[in-house]
Amino acid sequence: KQEVTQIPAALSVPEGENLVLNCSFTDSAIYNLQWFRQDPGKGLTSLLLIQSSQREQTSGRLNASLDKSSGRSTLYIAASQPGDSATYLCAVYGGAQKLVFGQGTRLTINP
Amino acid sequence: EAQVTQNPRYLITVTGKKLTVTCSQNMNHEYMSWYRQDPGLGLRQIYYSMNVEVTDKGDVPEGYKVSRKEKRNFPLILESPSPNQTSLYFCASSLSRSGGRELFFGEGSRLTVL
Repeated sequence: KQEVTQIPAALSVPEGENLVLNCSFTDSAIYNLQWFRQDPGKGLTSLLLIQSSQREQTSGRLNASLDKSSGRSTLYIAASQPGDSATYLCAVYGGAQKLVFGQGTRLTINP
Repeated sequence: EAQVTQNPRYLITVTGKKLTVTCSQNMNHEYMSWYRQDPGLGLRQIYYSMNVEVTDKGDVPEGYKVSRKEKRNFPLILESPSPNQTSLYFCASSLSRSGGRELFFGEGSRLTVL
């Protein structure tokens, strides 16, 4: 059974810092991995989708990497801003119509 | 604007009173799914649909029903709600699940069952 873990559960950093969020998964037989952002009381917004054949994806200040063999993905946020404060979730798709989510990392960027 | 729309966004009801949470997407997506989000448990899939008239159970289907009569709509039905169904519910859609496509979520429906 696929399990997805995100550590740490919460992270607080000063504005302007570069930071890395981690996601690990137990079964490397995945089709893709997706990173989401969730603001309090809101839905999930897709940030980046990495196919299993890809090593990384970039969107603006965000860069996500994928190492299938080690069961790890990282989300790199450059030059963090207070508006980046949110919960970040990763989810892996391994087929069978099922997306398995991590518990998320709650990120706070302090001005 | 491409979006997934859920209604109602907030609902307080009582045990046993049937309710329906609607979900509609305007992206012509084939795949639609319902999730519930609970503290400490994360997001869990309730039901999904790969196309019109094709639905299947996710991880936590007990107490829920769905239907997919039209491509754009995927309502979630609670025939006899109970307090343990108090949760934040999300509908999501994707162009296709085969090969893996980006998943788009609605804003969520917060349900309280008294």
